[in-house]
Amino acid sequence: KQEVTQIPAALSVPEGENLVLNCSFTDSAIYNLQWFRQDPGKGLTSLLLIQSSQREQTSGRLNASLDKSSGRSTLYIAASQPGDSATYLCAVNSGSARQLTFGSGTQLTVLP
Amino acid sequence: ETGVTQTPRHLVMGMTNKKSLKCEQHLGHNAMYWYKQSAKKPLELMFVYSLEERVENNSVPSRFSPECPNSSHLFLHLHTLQPEDSALYLCASSQDGTGRGYTFGSGTRLTVV
Repeated sequence: KQEVTQIPAALSVPEGENLVLNCSFTDSAIYNLQWFRQDPGKGLTSLLLIQSSQREQTSGRLNASLDKSSGRSTLYIAASQPGDSATYLCAVNSGSARQLTFGSGTQLTVLP
Repeated sequence: ETGVTQTPRHLVMGMTNKKSLKCEQHLGHNAMYWYKQSAKKPLELMFVYSLEERVENNSVPSRFSPECPNSSHLFLHLHTLQPEDSALYLCASSQDGTGRGYTFGSGTRLTVV
């Protein structure tokens, strides 16, 4: 059974800092990995999708990497802003039903 | 709006009530999902429908009953729920389940009293 772990559970940084969020998964037989953002009480917004054959994806100030063999992914946020404050979720697409298995998320607070 | 619409946004129901959650997508996706998000826990997959057929049921209690009448609509029928069922219920859709275009609705915040 796929398990996804995210560390840290919470992170508070001053505005302008670069930061890294970590995600690990137990079964490396994945189709892809996604990073989502969730604002309080809201649904999920997809940030980046990395296919199993890819090493990284970039969108603006966000860069996600994938090391499938070691079961790890990182989300790098450059020059953080207060508007980046949210919970960031890592999800792995695997299994015969191609379902997403989520981590518990990292709650990020960027202080002005 | 993301293209996946959930109604109602908030629902308070008693343990003896029957209610339904609705999800609608017009993205042309052929797979739809129900997830449960409880406080301090990861999102839990409840049901998967692909091409209107249920392909996954993760040991969800029978008091939750899904229905997918067509590829654009998904329902979750609720009956005799427990207070521990209070959570945010999220609907999602994707194109053929590959993860591409995985789109979530804003969720229904359910409180069982």
